[in-house]
Amino acid sequence: GAVVSQHPSWVICKSGTSVKIECRSLDFQATTMFWYRQFPKQSLMLMATSNEGSKATYEQGVEKDKFLINHASLTLSTLTVTSAHPEDSSFYICSATIGTGGLGEQYFGPGTRLTVT
Amino acid sequence: KNEVEQSPQNLTAQEGEFITINCSYSVGISALHWLQQHPGGGIVSLFMLSSGKKKHGRLIATINIQEKHSSLHITASHPRDSAVYICAIGLGGADGLTFGKGTHLIIQP
Repeated sequence: GAVVSQHPSWVICKSGTSVKIECRSLDFQATTMFWYRQFPKQSLMLMATSNEGSKATYEQGVEKDKFLINHASLTLSTLTVTSAHPEDSSFYICSATIGTGGLGEQYFGPGTRLTVT
Repeated sequence: KNEVEQSPQNLTAQEGEFITINCSYSVGISALHWLQQHPGGGIVSLFMLSSGKKKHGRLIATINIQEKHSSLHITASHPRDSAVYICAIGLGGADGLTFGKGTHLIIQP
């Protein structure tokens, strides 16, 4: 149980286009979903926290107008990278939790590797 | 200064050896997570700890809240254990995790 899927697993797009990444909890309802980003040889960094039906909370330095998060249901959150640039190329991972943030087990998606050319 | 420090950064060992990876953190936490990341990038959650010790198969995780320190041990290591092991802390509430830089483990046959 507690499976989180992400789609697509990898995507290549041209500079200036937008890319949507989906994160789904397949067999549970997620109280909260988190979006993380990992640049090569770096640690994962939290981008934003997403609760169903409310606006996402973005970490300092993450542009909310560039990284649009929609959490339409308890099983689906989407991250849209708008007007992508090569520096947005990264590994994007979502996680979902049933509990409350650090108190709850986090279940990670397999990640999406974005390459912007 | 990173809130989560892991050591060592890289570790190469022979199959069968006992492995220890350490994690220190500098703030009060509600839980500490040990994660495994394979070369493709996918992350598997190994343990979530708020106190004491947990064991799952050949993996053991311990935490000392007073000393703000946790260790991950692998007994009878195997080449398939080769991966990056990441320590992450949760601060409570609805906060996401803060991650260490990871320990790159290679187990040679």
